[in-house]
Formats: sequence, C-alpha cells, structure tokens
Amino acid sequence: DAGVIQSPRHEVTEMGQEVTLRCKPISGHNSLFWYRQTMMRGLELLIYFNNNVPIDDSGMPEDRFSAKMPNASFSTLKIQPSEPRDSAVYFCASRLAGGAYSPLHFGNGTRLTVT
Amino acid sequence: EDQVTQSPEALRLQEGESSSLNCSYTVSGLRGLFWYRQDPGKGPEFLFTLYSAGEEKEKERLKATLTKKESFLHITAPKPEDSATYLCAVQAVTNAGKSTFGDGTTLTVKP
Repeated sequence: DAGVIQSPRHEVTEMGQEVTLRCKPISGHNSLFWYRQTMMRGLELLIYFNNNVPIDDSGMPEDRFSAKMPNASFSTLKIQPSEPRDSAVYFCASRLAGGAYSPLHFGNGTRLTVT
Repeated sequence: EDQVTQSPEALRLQEGESSSLNCSYTVSGLRGLFWYRQDPGKGPEFLFTLYSAGEEKEKERLKATLTKKESFLHITAPKPEDSATYLCAVQAVTNAGKSTFGDGTTLTVKP
C-alpha cells in the first residue's frame, strides 16, 4: 500500500500563473477529497468525488479553482490565475465509498506559495 | 452547520505527565467522530473512530472517549514522540460524505 501520493511537494509560483496539483489515491478507494490547510482557517474541504463524480464543490472558493477526476487513480486541482491568498498546504485524501465510517487517508500535501 | 471546537490550542507537558485534549462538537446527528494525528510536514494520520456516546477506544498511551457533546483524547504518561498536532473531525448523518475538522491541539512533550 503506497498510500495517497501527491505531487509536487512544493510549488512556488508568481501571481497570475496557472498551478496544477496532482493526486493518486489508494488503489481500491473510490472517494477522493481535496482539502486546504492554513493557520487562519485550519483544514477546509474544497471538493470531493465519489466514483470519479464530483459530489460537493461548495468549498471551492472561487471560479479560479477547478478539480477533475478523469479516472479512479488520478485527480487534479487547478488554480488559474493564482493569487497570493491561495498560499496554503493542499491535501488530497481518499477512502472507501459507502464506508462513511471509514477514515480518510491523507497524502503528505503540496505546499503552495504564490508570490 | 456542523462545528468542531478543540481545546486547548497548545499543550506543553513533561514526559510522564498525563493530560487530556478536548473536542466539543455540534452536529445534526453524529455518524462518527474521528481523531487524527498530524506531524509537521505530513498529512493527518488516522487514530480512532467513535460512533456513540459512552464508547472508548485505546491505542498505546492514547484513549479516546465520547459523550453526546464532546470527545476527550486522554494521554497517559506521554513520551516526546507523542508530540504532534491532534485533530478531531465529525461526520453528520445528513452529510456522511464530509468530515468537518477542528483546528487541532498542538502537543509538545518535553523529556
């Protein structure tokens, strides 16, 4: 079990640039979540998917954010254009769908810095 | 709206000094309460799930308990390696897909 894999681990970009974060969930898990963590707001859910279908994107802050899950083993979170206030650690997590009692398995995050 | 409040924000203990962390929650029907541990530079790591009031779970020096309004994470005779941020999260019956997290308690255990 390789765990949830996120890339890159660190991303530094300039304001206005496009940023793409990537996630590979644990094999067999069919729910995937994107969270953002900051000192001010803690862990916030941005969006989650069940069986590759977006279920709730109410946490996506603005239209500048978009997420896709083209297949069961890959998801992306894109920010375009990026702004300094988007600086945060972005986590991807997965779990077994239908197992609402199942815990989330987190990746080690992508630390995004927008200058 | 589901809410989770953790206290204290930070806790400093001497090695061997037992204590408890608190997680107070407001949720429209609790489906499950989760405790996670987060080390610097890493994602949260699952510790326990509690489902109903009165339930207890134990793992090494940690014991989690649950009432209808709060959960406690008791740490007995902590060691420096227990230093981490401990996060509490709830899932509601009405929205089982989403976990709402508290802001965490950062525990430091000095040798």
